[in-house]
Amino acid sequence: DAKTTQPPSMDCAEGRAANLPCNHSTISGNEYVYWYRQIHSQGPQYIIHGLKNNETNEMASLIITEDRKSSTLILPHATLRDTAVYYCIVRVNDYKLSFGAGTTVTVRA
Amino acid sequence: DSGVTQTPKHLITATGQRVTLRCSPRSGDLSVYWYQQSLDQGLQFLIQYYNGEERAKGNILERFSAQQFPDLHSELNLSSLELGDSALYFCASSDPGGGGYTDTQYFGPGTRLTVL
Repeated sequence: DAKTTQPPSMDCAEGRAANLPCNHSTISGNEYVYWYRQIHSQGPQYIIHGLKNNETNEMASLIITEDRKSSTLILPHATLRDTAVYYCIVRVNDYKLSFGAGTTVTVRA
Repeated sequence: DSGVTQTPKHLITATGQRVTLRCSPRSGDLSVYWYQQSLDQGLQFLIQYYNGEERAKGNILERFSAQQFPDLHSELNLSSLELGDSALYFCASSDPGGGGYTDTQYFGPGTRLTVL
């Protein structure tokens, strides 16, 4: 799997959009970008995934650059409950998810 | 709620003992994955079962074993426990409806194992 680079931590104000960057410069054409989050020792929660096109669901939006070397997860209106570790994972034809260190996001009131 | 259930939530045992962790996948999911999360190693893939058969192995110790039963629930058996086995153990399930290997995995709440 292509490796990913995420900032170790970031703060966000409640009610504002949170933009979480992820670099995956060695990504291959058939590798998907997945985002999960983990709230304080709970099970990782699936957020969204994409291949080439931007994706949106009820939780977040995923913006993938045209060259696919980076992506941004957008939480449109962050709440205190969005405080968590966010993992960006690049995956292709592989059964496992390879979690890195992720980004610790703290939403402040 | 992901629909994946795990029991027990907490388990405290002594070194050298054997424990069994149980996982029930989401209704209809055929694949079950086990992951270990310790403080110093992060989330590590252990093993995957698909419809009763082992499909992939990760960093699973020989002291650990797993199986998936006909009703699709899975058990992870940990034996000769050591202090270093203390960790959170997560189960995930997925539905290979798309036929590919990038099926979305949904995680259970985990079992916290403490070895004293």
